[in-house]
Amino acid sequence: ETGVTQSPTHLIKTRGQQVTLRCSSQSGHNTVSWYQQALGQGPQFIFQYYREEENGRGNFPPRFSGLQFPNYSSELNVNALELDDSALYLCASSQGQNRDYGYTFGSGTRLTVV
Amino acid sequence: GNSVTQMEGPVTLSEEAFLTINCTYTATGYPSLFWYVQYPGEGLQLLLKATKADDKGSNKGFEATYRKETTSFHLEKGSVQVSDSAVYFCALRYNNNDMRFGAGTRLTVKP
Repeated sequence: ETGVTQSPTHLIKTRGQQVTLRCSSQSGHNTVSWYQQALGQGPQFIFQYYREEENGRGNFPPRFSGLQFPNYSSELNVNALELDDSALYLCASSQGQNRDYGYTFGSGTRLTVV
Repeated sequence: GNSVTQMEGPVTLSEEAFLTINCTYTATGYPSLFWYVQYPGEGLQLLLKATKADDKGSNKGFEATYRKETTSFHLEKGSVQVSDSAVYFCALRYNNNDMRFGAGTRLTVKP
C-alpha cells in the first residue's frame, strides 16, 4: 500500500505571498490532518478534514485554509505569508475518527519564508 | 485542555544502556496513547500505541504501559543502539478528534 505523499518537499516564498501544499493520503484513509512543526518543536495541529469537511481546527489564523477532495487528498493554503510561517508542514492520514487509529505521516514540506 | 508533557531532552546514552523517556498527559475521558519517532529529515513514524488502561504497547524492543492512575505512558527500552538516535514524541487521541503531541525528546546514543 502507498503511504502519505506530500509535495513539494521544499519551497521558498517571499513574505506576503501565498502558498499551496499538497498531500495524498494513504489508500483507504478518509481523514487528513495538517501540522506545523517549527525547528526543535513538536507538531502543532492546524486542522483536520474528514470526508471533505473540516472537522476541527487548532489555534491558527484564518489565512491558513484547506480542502479535502473526493479521493481524500488534501491541500493546505497559506495566504499573506509571514516569516514565522517558516516550518516543516506535515500531513497525516488516518482510517477514520476512532481514537484507536494512529496517523500515517508524510515526509513533510519544508517552507522557508524570506 | 488535553495535553501531553514529555521529559525535556536531550538525552544522551551509551550503546546498550537502559532508556526511559517520561510522558504524562492531561485529559478528560479516555484517550488512546501513542509514541512516534522522527529521524532527521523525515516525517513521524508510529512506534507503538495503547488504547486502554494497563495496555502495553511494544515494538522493536520499545515498550510503554498505559497507566491511568498516574496518567503516564513512559517509553522504555532495555538496550539502546546507535540506530535508535532520533526524536521521540508522545501523543494522545480521542474519538472524533485530532492527535495532540508533546514537544519531543531528542535521544542520542553513542557507540
